[in-house]
Amino acid sequence: EPEVTQTPSHQVTQMGQEVILRCVPISNHLYFYWYRQILGQKVEFLVSFYNNEISEKSEIFDDQFSVERPDGSNFTLKIRSTKLEDSAMYFCASKPGTSNQPQHFGDGTRLSIL
Amino acid sequence: EDQVTQSPEALRLQEGESSSLNCSYTVSGLRGLFWYRQDPGKGPEFLFTLYSAGEEKEKERLKATLTKKESFLHITAPKPEDSATYLCAVLGGGSNYKLTFGKGTLLTVNP
Repeated sequence: EPEVTQTPSHQVTQMGQEVILRCVPISNHLYFYWYRQILGQKVEFLVSFYNNEISEKSEIFDDQFSVERPDGSNFTLKIRSTKLEDSAMYFCASKPGTSNQPQHFGDGTRLSIL
Repeated sequence: EDQVTQSPEALRLQEGESSSLNCSYTVSGLRGLFWYRQDPGKGPEFLFTLYSAGEEKEKERLKATLTKKESFLHITAPKPEDSATYLCAVLGGGSNYKLTFGKGTLLTVNP
């Protein structure tokens, strides 16, 4: 069964450094998402991406965050200057074209900021 | 703003002991309610989508139901492998894209 894959599984970074989290969505999906989950808290929406542009973003997704689909298969989340509070599990998700269909999630990247 | 509240936060059952998990929601124009299972260190795994009040979906020992204010995930004769965190999420009318999640219910099934 096709699945969303994320790399790396764990990323440790010094505060202030840039980090890029990578995702390969399911191949025929058109909508792509990033969510995060701080330890012990809810899964929170960050951003959605469709047709090569951001379609919606949350207040968490400030100027320090950016997303890109550099080729036909990868989808990346970049944090320009990491803060301690960026430590969380980051999940990528994708779904096919119809808006009410379920989103399918990867297993996440655990980001630890020191 | 869409809100999702799940109860209980944690539930411990004996193998074979049936029970239900609750998901209460407040949303403007529900477009879909989703149940996911999350194992430790893994991403949410899709289980069910419910679109309108009265709808029911079943998969093995799990059955999801939906009313205008809440959804239930019924677990019949659970097994230890059903142990996981069960997440409820809604897609509201104010957004085409954003899922709003509850905190989840941590289910433990003892043999």
